[in-house]
Amino acid sequence: DIVMTQSPDSLAVSLGERATINCRSSQSVLYSSNNKNYLAWYQQKPGQPPKLLIYWASTRESGVPDRFSGSGSGTDFTLTISSLQAEDVAVYYCHQYYNTPRAFGQGTKVEIK
Amino acid sequence: EVQLVETGGGLIQPGGSLRLSCTASGLTVSTNYMSWVRQAPGKGLDWVSVIYSTGSTHYAESVKGRFTISRDNSKNTLYLQMNSLRAEDTAVYYCARECEPFGLAIDYWGQGTLVTVSS
Repeated sequence: DIVMTQSPDSLAVSLGERATINCRSSQSVLYSSNNKNYLAWYQQKPGQPPKLLIYWASTRESGVPDRFSGSGSGTDFTLTISSLQAEDVAVYYCHQYYNTPRAFGQGTKVEIK
Repeated sequence: EVQLVETGGGLIQPGGSLRLSCTASGLTVSTNYMSWVRQAPGKGLDWVSVIYSTGSTHYAESVKGRFTISRDNSKNTLYLQMNSLRAEDTAVYYCARECEPFGLAIDYWGQGTLVTVSS
């Protein structure tokens, strides 16, 4: 089974500054036949279901602000918020859908410093 | 507009059974990959199960043999039959759609239904 590990567990960033979240999978989620990474990022605010931000590791979902970006390949991935806004306070999860059982990272809580 | 509405949660004693339902509108359950994901209070997301459009099903090891995912095409509804419930199954259970054009990333989520396993 693939295990997803995020770092850090939490971070506090000043408004307008960059926030970086890392995610590592215990095995590659890159599918060689189409050269796509089966890795997504979600944002969850209190009392709400998660919201898809990024899929294919780096493709932004429609309507997601361009301050959110995803990068990485294989086993190491990063979600970057280029200029943190107050509405970005949330918990962020990475998610592998390369195979079953699917798996989520443990989450990273982003707060304002 | 896609809507997923979960029902069936509640308080249940350890060892008991419960069936969750997820009624979909704006999408056809039978032609999509549909999942259940849970979240224990104050904890992270925990993948539970998926049913493919082919009918193939897959489960997390923690629920295998106790939970069964199914669907009723005529009602456009997804189910999760949960047997032999344990305290550690206490969570909000979300119904979700895995989007094939996105490679099966989850693009739609319900609001969730709370299951509490306690005596």
